[in-house]
Amino acid sequence: ERVMTQSPATLSVSPGERATLSCRASQSVSTNLAWYQQKPGQAPRLLIYGASTRATGIPARFSGSGSGTEFTLTISSLQSEDFAVYHCQQYNNWPLTFGGGTKVEIK
Amino acid sequence: QVQLVQSGAEVKKPGASVKISCKASGYTFTSDLIHWVRQAPGQRLEWMGWINAGNGNTKYSQKFQDRVTITRDTSASSAYMELSGLRSEDTAVYYCARDKKVEGYYYYYMDVWGKGTTVTVSS
Repeated sequence: ERVMTQSPATLSVSPGERATLSCRASQSVSTNLAWYQQKPGQAPRLLIYGASTRATGIPARFSGSGSGTEFTLTISSLQSEDFAVYHCQQYNNWPLTFGGGTKVEIK
Repeated sequence: QVQLVQSGAEVKKPGASVKISCKASGYTFTSDLIHWVRQAPGQRLEWMGWINAGNGNTKYSQKFQDRVTITRDTSASSAYMELSGLRSEDTAVYYCARDKKVEGYYYYYMDVWGKGTTVTVSS
């Protein structure tokens, strides 16, 4: 099973600043990685797939990069609606697995 | 618009079974996969399995293989997840999510999610 590790667990950022979130896979997952945003009491929302392709309707301030075992989600200028938990998910191997999440909170 | 509407919250006793529904609208139900993912309090998202809504083929996580059954009813554009032998650790929010076929392939990420169904297991 591919274990996905996200860091940091919590990221405190001021509005307008850049946020950089990391996701590491225990073994290579190529670029078969997705990022989701989840707000309290809501379902996850797809942001990025293929490690770097934005899903439909996702603002350009969200960008993804990486391949193999190291991935990054960058939010270039945090807006109030971006404070949430972010999950990565690998879909290279069975079972599909998710990271433990990074909470982005207001500094 | 594409929507997945799940059934309401459930409270079950240990050892019982629960069956959750997920009704799709706004797209051709039989074209895509439906995944089931759960999230226990304070835990990471956990994938349970998927069903091909077109041909009914399924794939389950080994962790749940013995206890989960995913089915679909194409006439109702609905998928169902039944989990048996419930224990307290199964207390979680259960989500269904669509995996859209793209250029003939499924890629196993989820582009549309239901709002979730809370299942509480308690004696």
